[in-house]
Amino acid sequence: QKEVEQDPGPLSVPEGAIVSLNCTYSNSAFQYFMWYRQYSRKGPELLMYTYSSGNKEDGRFTAQVDKSSKYISLFIRDSQPSDSATYLCAMRKGNNRLAFGKGNQVVVIP
Amino acid sequence: DGGITQSPKYLFRKEGQNVTLSCEQNLNHDAMYWYRQDPGQGLRLIYYSQIVNDFQKGDIAEGYSVSREKKESFPLTVTSAQKNPTAFYLCASSMGYSNQPQHFGDGTRLSIL
Repeated sequence: QKEVEQDPGPLSVPEGAIVSLNCTYSNSAFQYFMWYRQYSRKGPELLMYTYSSGNKEDGRFTAQVDKSSKYISLFIRDSQPSDSATYLCAMRKGNNRLAFGKGNQVVVIP
Repeated sequence: DGGITQSPKYLFRKEGQNVTLSCEQNLNHDAMYWYRQDPGQGLRLIYYSQIVNDFQKGDIAEGYSVSREKKESFPLTVTSAQKNPTAFYLCASSMGYSNQPQHFGDGTRLSIL
């Protein structure tokens, strides 16, 4: 079983729609959860960083963690064409190492 | 501006040649990492270093080597033993504390001539 499962998509939505992205993980020892946004030919940029189960909001972005179900989500409200990118989930395992999902490509259509 | 600088952006390797990718950070981070990104495979850890003069192998270290002589710098050498080096290479860094996130540079794309 893979450590982190993330549906690669692509996911196409009209401008203004809500984007919903998900990752599941297998190891209940994972504690810190991250979402990164990666534009083409660029490095990943940290979007959200959470620890506890529950929701964390930052502007149009909401990160949700459900540790009991080993499931994390990222929601993007009022999506814009500039949100078109690949979104990577990541979670900390031992020794400062991260386990990454494969990334989910999102296209926001004007 | 604080950040992570990777150079060059594009690099070409001839058969049998070793090439070195540069990674420099001015964030005063203790830990640095090298990842390889291939289409459809996500990020895979090559090497990481938590302090100067110390580093550990990641999941795919074969055919690669690193050094960590300065806190700011963590160069990666792709040796001729790496038979499939074409990929996007990403360097990251983080504070030494285990609950701090990693931050990434903008990558180097390596191709074979």
